[in-house]
Amino acid sequence: AQSVTQPDIHITVSEGASLELRCNYSYGATPYLFWYVQSPGQGLQLLLKYFSGDTLVQGIKGFEAEFKRSQSSFNLRKPSVHWSDAAEYFCAVGVAGTASKLTFGTGTRLQVTL
Amino acid sequence: GAVVSQHPSRVICKSGTSVKIECRSLDFQATTMFWYRQFPKKSLMLMATSNEGSKATYEQGVEKDKFLINHASLTLSTLTVTSAHPEDSSFYICSAPNTGDTQYFGPGTRLTVL
Repeated sequence: AQSVTQPDIHITVSEGASLELRCNYSYGATPYLFWYVQSPGQGLQLLLKYFSGDTLVQGIKGFEAEFKRSQSSFNLRKPSVHWSDAAEYFCAVGVAGTASKLTFGTGTRLQVTL
Repeated sequence: GAVVSQHPSRVICKSGTSVKIECRSLDFQATTMFWYRQFPKKSLMLMATSNEGSKATYEQGVEKDKFLINHASLTLSTLTVTSAHPEDSSFYICSAPNTGDTQYFGPGTRLTVL
């Protein structure tokens, strides 16, 4: 069965600083990987996804993520954080080809200081 | 993009009553939908897979008689929490896959059982 680890529970960055949120996955085959963002009391919004091809994927709101098979990682990055980026970020892995249920990491709460 | 709605966004009920939560795919059809439960400051836990025209598939440990799921049409799934108790208080989120194996999430329903 697949699993996802987000080692950082809480991260604080200054506005304008760069950001990297870590995600490690465990899955026997090529995974489908996702990053979602959740604002307080809200559902999840898809930031970006990786299915295959170019290992560096671009998403919305200036986010990008890089799939590194050798490290079983899919870290999320943003070069310059905005105060509105403060939220909970979830990495998730899915089973390729089935549009099936996702396994989520425990999330990383991002706080942005002005 | 694909939009999934949930209704109600918040509900407060007395212990012992039943509560129905609706999940709709607004601009696409979904033969499968997923129901998640999210505890405070925790990740999403998959409860069940809702299948249009057939029985739902429940994850291990989820009481099917407590959480009734009906997938009435290609755009509507409902979750009924029967005989609700305070421990059922939680944030319930549904999702539906659109083309390309991507899940789109509803905004969630906050259930409070008094």
